[in-house]
Amino acid sequence: EVKLLESGGGLVQPGGSMRLSCAASGFTFTDFYMYWIRQPAGKAPEWLGFIRNKANGYTTEYNPSVKGRFTISRDNTQNMLYLQMNTLRAEDTATYYCARWPGYWGQGVMVTVSS
Amino acid sequence: DIQMTQSPSFLSASVGDRVTINCKASQNINKYLDWYQQKLGEAPKLLIYNTNSLHTGIPSRFSGSGSGTDFTLTISSLQPEDVATYFCLQHNSGWTFGGGTKLELK
Repeated sequence: EVKLLESGGGLVQPGGSMRLSCAASGFTFTDFYMYWIRQPAGKAPEWLGFIRNKANGYTTEYNPSVKGRFTISRDNTQNMLYLQMNTLRAEDTATYYCARWPGYWGQGVMVTVSS
Repeated sequence: DIQMTQSPSFLSASVGDRVTINCKASQNINKYLDWYQQKLGEAPKLLIYNTNSLHTGIPSRFSGSGSGTDFTLTISSLQPEDVATYFCLQHNSGWTFGGGTKLELK
């Protein structure tokens, strides 16, 4: 069974940094692209970026809205996905999800950027 | 960047009604369009992938159609448990979600 479990959310001050983690299980992690998505309360989800699989060299792509501030990485020995978020702003407040296509999402983790 | 325009934003229908939700892409996305259902406090749940493939465990009253830039999600006979917000997602180039359709019972 595919499982994705995010961790690392919470409250952070504007300008601060936070790293989210996503533990993956139930599938061959290196075979799949992995995605990060966020969803502010009451709004549509927003794709943040993805990291490709082994066959495609684990390269990354980002939504222009977060490119340069957010970094996606993976530890294929631990089946872990990461999202490093820097220079956080109030508008980054959202529930953050990791995902694997098609349709496998974690339960989400809340990030609140506020002083 | 590809933009997804979803309509309507809000929909009220009765149990047993046929319901359709539309998504229009700003450019050709081939067949790479998925539909999600989201209930309050839950993660989005995949219903349809690649325009018309029903995800595992999803009832057959849900179906998808379209190609290129215009896509439709159809619920053939609305059930009370279908009350939710629905999103489309294009994955032809990066990912872009539609703005959502909130479906309520009349």
